[in-house]
Amino acid sequence: NAGVTQTPKFQVLKTGQSMTLQCAQDMNHEYMSWYRQDPGMGLRLIHYSVGAGITDQGEVPNGYNVSRSTTEDFPLRLLSAAPSQTSVYFCASSRVTNQPQHFGDGTRLSIL
Amino acid sequence: KQEVTQIPAALSVPEGENLVLNCSFTDSAIYNLQWFRQDPGKGLTSLLLIQSSQREQTSGRLNASLDKSSGRSTLYIAASQPGDSATYLCAVSGGGGSNYKLTFGKGTLLTVNP
Repeated sequence: NAGVTQTPKFQVLKTGQSMTLQCAQDMNHEYMSWYRQDPGMGLRLIHYSVGAGITDQGEVPNGYNVSRSTTEDFPLRLLSAAPSQTSVYFCASSRVTNQPQHFGDGTRLSIL
Repeated sequence: KQEVTQIPAALSVPEGENLVLNCSFTDSAIYNLQWFRQDPGKGLTSLLLIQSSQREQTSGRLNASLDKSSGRSTLYIAASQPGDSATYLCAVSGGGGSNYKLTFGKGTLLTVNP
């Protein structure tokens, strides 16, 4: 039972590069989301999805893109990396609204 | 906009003490409240989830209470152990947004000394 799997665990990018953070869950959860965690700011919601084909913006969506073509996968794309996007990124999923959310172990991203 | 505050920001106690962590939120129209634990370099682990209609939830040595009208929740940890050392995060859903979207506090860093 893998739960929520995020890859890669660590990544260093140069300003202007693009990349995709992967998130996969094997629990058949409908709801998936991406958060970033920064010192002094806590966790903030970037984008979320309530099912395949449905996505919406969270609190800090600028500079990020998502799509949800399958129930299992919810990738997060950085279009043109900026130093302000240096952060730890967490993916989460849950089955329904009254069930706990499950988090991955995070991707630590540094933008130089 | 929902805001979640956790007090204290850090807490250090000797092993065996009972302790209380506090969480407050500005919009009482929440759907549920969750307490999470985060170990250094790791993701979040859900400890307890309280629905808006509930007053408390218990799991082992943990008890979480919810007073929605006053915008407050407490996490009570009985007989603390060094293994309880971690950051504890409070998060609420609803409160003007989707019932799935969580708004987090900044956490309480707990250290339990042997």
